[in-house]
Amino acid sequence: DADVTQTPRNRITKTGKRIMLECSQTKGHDRMYWYRQDPGLGLRLIYYSFDVKDINKGEISDGYSVSRQAQAKFSLSLESAIPNQTALYFCATSDAGTSTDTQYFGPGTRLTVL
Amino acid sequence: EDQVTQSPEALRLQEGESSSLNCSYTVSGLRGLFWYRQDPGKGPEFLFTLYSAGEEKEKERLKATLTKKESFLHITAPKPEDSATYLCAVNSGNTPLVFGKGTRLSVIA
Repeated sequence: DADVTQTPRNRITKTGKRIMLECSQTKGHDRMYWYRQDPGLGLRLIYYSFDVKDINKGEISDGYSVSRQAQAKFSLSLESAIPNQTALYFCATSDAGTSTDTQYFGPGTRLTVL
Repeated sequence: EDQVTQSPEALRLQEGESSSLNCSYTVSGLRGLFWYRQDPGKGPEFLFTLYSAGEEKEKERLKATLTKKESFLHITAPKPEDSATYLCAVNSGNTPLVFGKGTRLSVIA
């Protein structure tokens, strides 16, 4: 079984709809992250959480919100989806107990907003 | 502000033609430099972490090296299955990794 799972893997929705992307991990890591990836722009950090009570904005948080329901679960919401939020979304985890904080990524969710 | 620049943006090689990818970085205090491999439509896969200048790590046809300003990912005698985007990232402290935009490698048989 994969250590980091994301659901759904693919989603097509319409402008204005509320969307939730979910991430679960079995690695026992305390840190979790949400990124989006667009062609030519690389990975951009949306939000990150260093523990259940800690939520931080990343580079591009506008239009997004997150919820850290448990150590193993981190959800990303688009309150009112718009077409320029069409992208690949990745969840990642890391272990604060290590010196380098290596991130491990999930398989991604491909989101299309029409 | 930490910055990572990767070059070239894209590289096309013949099978067996060795080459190197570059990752230049500016960071206040390097705690680790990371290389990832990403296949199209998939999540990045961790390859290496380098901690200090002079360090080298190898995995199959890949060797990563580190200086105080840049890292190289050397690919020796590449095969078509090495085709992917290679991402570089740096960690400077208690903040998330900063990623470069990647180098898209194509190896032609």
